[in-house]
Amino acid sequence: DAGVTQSPTHLIKTRGQQVTLRCSPKSGHDTVSWYQQALGQGPQFIFQYYEEEERQRGNFPDRFSGHQFPNYSSELNVNALLLGDSALYLCASTSGARPQETQYFGPGTRLLVL
Amino acid sequence: GQNIDQPTEMTATEGAIVQINCTYQTSGFNGLFWYQQHAGEAPTFLSYNVLDGLEEKGRFSSFLSRSKGYSYLLLKELQMKDSASYLCAVTNDYKLSFGAGTTVTVRA
Repeated sequence: DAGVTQSPTHLIKTRGQQVTLRCSPKSGHDTVSWYQQALGQGPQFIFQYYEEEERQRGNFPDRFSGHQFPNYSSELNVNALLLGDSALYLCASTSGARPQETQYFGPGTRLLVL
Repeated sequence: GQNIDQPTEMTATEGAIVQINCTYQTSGFNGLFWYQQHAGEAPTFLSYNVLDGLEEKGRFSSFLSRSKGYSYLLLKELQMKDSASYLCAVTNDYKLSFGAGTTVTVRA
């Protein structure tokens, strides 16, 4: 049973560039959430996708956008990269019916912006 | 807003017991999760509390008091592999809000 997978594992970009991160949910899950984790901090909620729509969003600017595909996989796009966007980006999947369902995390993509 | 507090660091000896406290003030509450995160890795699910009381899973137990906005994670019979960051997270609607994490160091 495959768990949550993310690609790429590491990425280096320069300020002003754009980046796309990808996530495939755990088998049987239909909901994907994205989190940003800065060094030494807990993950911060970016947004959640369910039924190909953004269901809930955290306090992140519009430079952060996403998409969910019919097979439930998801992409996170970040435009106009800033140095402060350097972080570990985590994807988590769950079954979307109830808000208290456990979210399972992927290994993350470590983004470095120079 | 969401405010979730937990101690930054704790150190304990192999075989001992450690209790990690978490207090929260959130605009909504659907449940409280504890995750373990080893350095450079993804958080892994440890426990979930939605009702008051103690949930026990092997060497790990978690307690919740909703009226006090308080939870703790109890780690018994500590092993070296338990050295990690422990994250307290509150779910509200479909959003998980995390504390900054408690780094536990287990010493021989």
